[in-house]
Amino acid sequence: QKEVEQNSGPLSVPEGAIASLNCTYSDRGSQSFFWYRQYSGKSPELIMSIYSNGDKEDGRFTAQLNKASQYVSLLIRDSQPSDSATYLCAVLLTGGFKTIFGAGTRLFVKA
Amino acid sequence: DTAVSQTPKYLVTQMGNDKSIKCEQNLGHDTMYWYKQDSKKFLKIMFSYNNKELIINETVPNRFSPKSPDKAHLNLHINSLELGDSAVYFCASSEGGAQETQYFGPGTRLLVL
Repeated sequence: QKEVEQNSGPLSVPEGAIASLNCTYSDRGSQSFFWYRQYSGKSPELIMSIYSNGDKEDGRFTAQLNKASQYVSLLIRDSQPSDSATYLCAVLLTGGFKTIFGAGTRLFVKA
Repeated sequence: DTAVSQTPKYLVTQMGNDKSIKCEQNLGHDTMYWYKQDSKKFLKIMFSYNNKELIINETVPNRFSPKSPDKAHLNLHINSLELGDSAVYFCASSEGGAQETQYFGPGTRLLVL
């Protein structure tokens, strides 16, 4: 059974701080990794995708991937109250078509 | 100009009833999905269709039957609804392939009484 594990939180950070979200996965052959944000009562929306080891930056968001350690992380710099949401780590399994989601980490950014 | 739409958004029904949820995407994607998100917010894949063909059928009771009349539509019919079916059901679509960003519909909130 392929799995994606996240700390469910909640993770609470003050406004302006860096929020660090972590995820591990079990399918060693996976090549595609995603972070989705889900506001309460809304549907998930893609924030970042990452396919190669290392860092990928997009505005205040940085995704980090370490395939050897089977570890993906998301850093949110200068956190804002509007970043308060659940962040879902997702992994596309080897062979394609099936994406496994983690249980999500709830983030609260305090003004 | 909604990319992935679902109807209805809310569904309240009695145990034992049969209900359907419809999904349409206007993104031109080849692959569509149904996910179930339970009260603990865990998002779990149920079915995946690629070019109208069933690709993934997770361990889902056979009371759930998906149907894809064409690439842009994927419907979900549920027979003999049970209390445990109460959840949010999301439809999603993607281009498919290795860089598979998924675009989600707004969700259908199903409550079985």
